[in-house]
Amino acid sequence: DAKTTQPTSMDCAEGRAANLPCNHSTISGNEYVYWYRQIHSQGPQYIIHGLKNNETNEMASLIITEDRKSSTLILPHATLRDTAVYYCIVRVANQGGSEKLVFGKGTKLTVNP
Amino acid sequence: KAGVTQTPRYLIKTRGQQVTLSCSPISGHRSVSWYQQTPGQGLQFLFEYFSETQRNKGNFPGRFSGRQFSNSRSEMNVSTLELGDSALYLCASSLQGAYTEAFFGQGTRLTVV
Repeated sequence: DAKTTQPTSMDCAEGRAANLPCNHSTISGNEYVYWYRQIHSQGPQYIIHGLKNNETNEMASLIITEDRKSSTLILPHATLRDTAVYYCIVRVANQGGSEKLVFGKGTKLTVNP
Repeated sequence: KAGVTQTPRYLIKTRGQQVTLSCSPISGHRSVSWYQQTPGQGLQFLFEYFSETQRNKGNFPGRFSGRQFSNSRSEMNVSTLELGDSALYLCASSLQGAYTEAFFGQGTRLTVV
């Protein structure tokens, strides 16, 4: 089962910041939070990941609370092309270096003109 | 750098047949994972291969199998196809699995009639 909870859908105006929340209250100390997005049945696209510090890259920022029980993905200036399903994933690593991504249902973000 | 390549992109098969899907990972990546995506169940992990060995397996029947070659290319096979196997099959590659980013291909859309 997915270890994350996200709102089903969100709307955002073009040019404004999109803030996508995620709850992961059962996260373990060595588990990373990853964000992917999927645009209309294409393959999921990696966005960003973090362990406990806030992270920023050219696509987005990731804010993780101090207790690590929740995080927020921020798209600073949303465009129409950011309309997608956004998945917050706690990456479960198994012994031996294997891992699997456990996807929840994600948040359908619609960016409106 | 070329991305993850999946072939074919689309496939139509008849119930009872078998099918083989192919995935070429990003050059240098040794871990390949497979996922099934359906409207009802979302994205579900099938299995992961690393250095030609299956390291992790999801909850799918034995009709679903895979293998990895010495060049890290991977194939998955589904035998005795059922209507419920209609799905988008996604392959993801990463350098070594855990704690390294996973990059997805565009997927193979399988329709079973």
